[in-house]
Amino acid sequence: GEDVEQSLFLSVREGDSSVINCTYTDSSSTYLYWYKQEPGAGLQLLTYIFSNMDMKQDQRLTVLLNKKDKHLSLRIADTQTGDSAIYFCAETPKAGNMLTFGGGTRLMVKP
Amino acid sequence: NAGVMQNPRHLVRRRGQEARLRCSPMKGHSHVYWYRQLPEEGLKFMVYLQKENIIDESGMPKERFSAEFPKEGPSILRIQQVVRGDSAAYFCASSQNGGGTEAFFGQGTRLTVV
Repeated sequence: GEDVEQSLFLSVREGDSSVINCTYTDSSSTYLYWYKQEPGAGLQLLTYIFSNMDMKQDQRLTVLLNKKDKHLSLRIADTQTGDSAIYFCAETPKAGNMLTFGGGTRLMVKP
Repeated sequence: NAGVMQNPRHLVRRRGQEARLRCSPMKGHSHVYWYRQLPEEGLKFMVYLQKENIIDESGMPKERFSAEFPKEGPSILRIQQVVRGDSAAYFCASSQNGGGTEAFFGQGTRLTVV
């Protein structure tokens, strides 16, 4: 079955770049997503990438996809204290299907 | 356009009672997904519904759990005879056409079983 793995914790200083990594096992993954969850809140879709792409940039966010290694990363440039949250990687084999989530990476940004 | 609305935000039930969680999708969305998040874990898919139909319930426990999305009104996730292990955050997401790129999440219902 599908499996999505993330490291549990990342700590960075304000202004530095953050890189959150994710690996997945389902080779039929079509869409890969990054969600942000702040304490007590729901999930906010940050960005997504289609499997035929290897990079997507959106303002401070850069997503890199290595399909051969089934590795996805999210880079946040100039990390701010407001970026402190849990970041979830998720995948779906095709649009319209349910998402399979990783366990989340807790990002802590120190001033 | 209001987002996905879930209520209640917090629900406390005693063991053996029923829990009823509601989800109103975004306007124009006819696809609803329910997920469960146990403490310190990621979200796990439970069920995918369209209006009046269950499309995929492969993530639903076989007993005590049921879901519906009637023609009129919100989607309901019902948990009968709750146990302590049901304590979790339950999230609903909706999309317009079933496309994963357009799934928006509600703020969740946090169920505590005492």
